[in-house]
Amino acid sequence: KQEVTQIPAALSVPEGENLVLNCSFTDSAIYNLQWFRQDPGKGLTSLLLIQSSQREQTSGRLNASLDKSSGRSTLYIAASQPGDSATYLCAVRGHNTDKLIFGTGTRLQVFP
Amino acid sequence: GAGVSQTPSNKVTEKGKYVELRCDPISGHTALYWYRQSLGQGPEFLIYFQGTGAADDSGLPNDRFFAVRPEGSVSTLKIQRTERGDSAVYLCASSLGSNQPQHFGDGTRLSIL
Repeated sequence: KQEVTQIPAALSVPEGENLVLNCSFTDSAIYNLQWFRQDPGKGLTSLLLIQSSQREQTSGRLNASLDKSSGRSTLYIAASQPGDSATYLCAVRGHNTDKLIFGTGTRLQVFP
Repeated sequence: GAGVSQTPSNKVTEKGKYVELRCDPISGHTALYWYRQSLGQGPEFLIYFQGTGAADDSGLPNDRFFAVRPEGSVSTLKIQRTERGDSAVYLCASSLGSNQPQHFGDGTRLSIL
């Protein structure tokens, strides 16, 4: 059974710092991995999707990497801003299924 | 609308009652998903539809939960004989099809008293 873990559970940093959020999964036979952002009381916003054949994806200040063989992904946030404060979730999708398996998230607070 | 719409945004009801939660997917999206998110946890998969049919309902916790999508667009999640443990945020997502990013609604916050 696939299990997804995110470390740290919470993170509080001053504005301007570069951050690394970690995601690990127990079954390396994934189809893709997706990073989401969730603001309080809101749904999930997709940030980056990495196919199993890819090593990384970039969007603006965000960079996500994938090491499928070791069951790890990292989300790198450059030059963090207070507006980045939210919960970040990673989710994996296995082969022959469309359902996503989520981690419990990292709650990020960036203070001015 | 441009995004996935879920109604109601909040629902409070008493234990034992029946509830229906509605999801309007993005126009043209053939796949629709239901997830449940408890406080401090990530979303957990319940069921997904490809068109009108349930392609995978393995996440439904028991037979009190049922979902339909009769015309391949709007979906309704139905919960019978609600229990306090059903309290959670119920999220709906849609996508253009398999292997496409899932786009989420803001959810329905269900509270069972």
